[in-house]
Amino acid sequence: DVKVTQSSRYLVKRTGEKVFLECVQDMDHENMFWYRQDPGLGLRLIYFSYDVKMKEKGDIPEGYSVSREKKERFSLILESASTNQTSMYLCASSLTRYEQYFGPGTRLTVT
Amino acid sequence: SQQGEEDPQALSIQEGENATMNCSYKTSINNLQWYRQNSGRGLVHLILIRSNEREKHSGRLRVTLDTSKKSSSLLITASRAADTASYFCATDAAGGYQKVTFGTGTKLQVIP
Repeated sequence: DVKVTQSSRYLVKRTGEKVFLECVQDMDHENMFWYRQDPGLGLRLIYFSYDVKMKEKGDIPEGYSVSREKKERFSLILESASTNQTSMYLCASSLTRYEQYFGPGTRLTVT
Repeated sequence: SQQGEEDPQALSIQEGENATMNCSYKTSINNLQWYRQNSGRGLVHLILIRSNEREKHSGRLRVTLDTSKKSSSLLITASRAADTASYFCATDAAGGYQKVTFGTGTKLQVIP
């Protein structure tokens, strides 16, 4: 079974802090994705990567950056956390752009 | 935006009944997928239907696609309490490499 793990289930950070969210997959998938999920808005794509060191902006990249130095790991970085970045963050991986496998999510609260 | 919209936003049924949820989208697609999300967890892929298919089955799931109406439906037959979850459709636009866009979801509650 594909396993996608995220570094934390719950995270509380202060405004202005630099935040790192880590995602690791164990199935040698080419594609990895970061989404945020907010009530009433569904999932919105922040960034995705289709290869090591490659990244593409999604629908809402502002305030975020990503890093993919190794195939199995995709990191989401909040350079200076703000309260409007309080959300559930979901990482996913896939062999194609279909059938994405999701991690359990990280619920981030910025105070 | 390509984003799909699910209807209804919330649905409550008795165990054993069928549940139907709908997804509408705006532009031509290559494929449409349905995912399930249990409360506070990640999404799980359920089924994919290609744009040239009209109906697909997987166990108690039946998905239909009407490209002329730009809509899809997910039917869960003989529902169980364990089906309680949110259900999302996901679409990708036709033509070239495009990201998959998720809808806002239908929250299904199955009452034992």
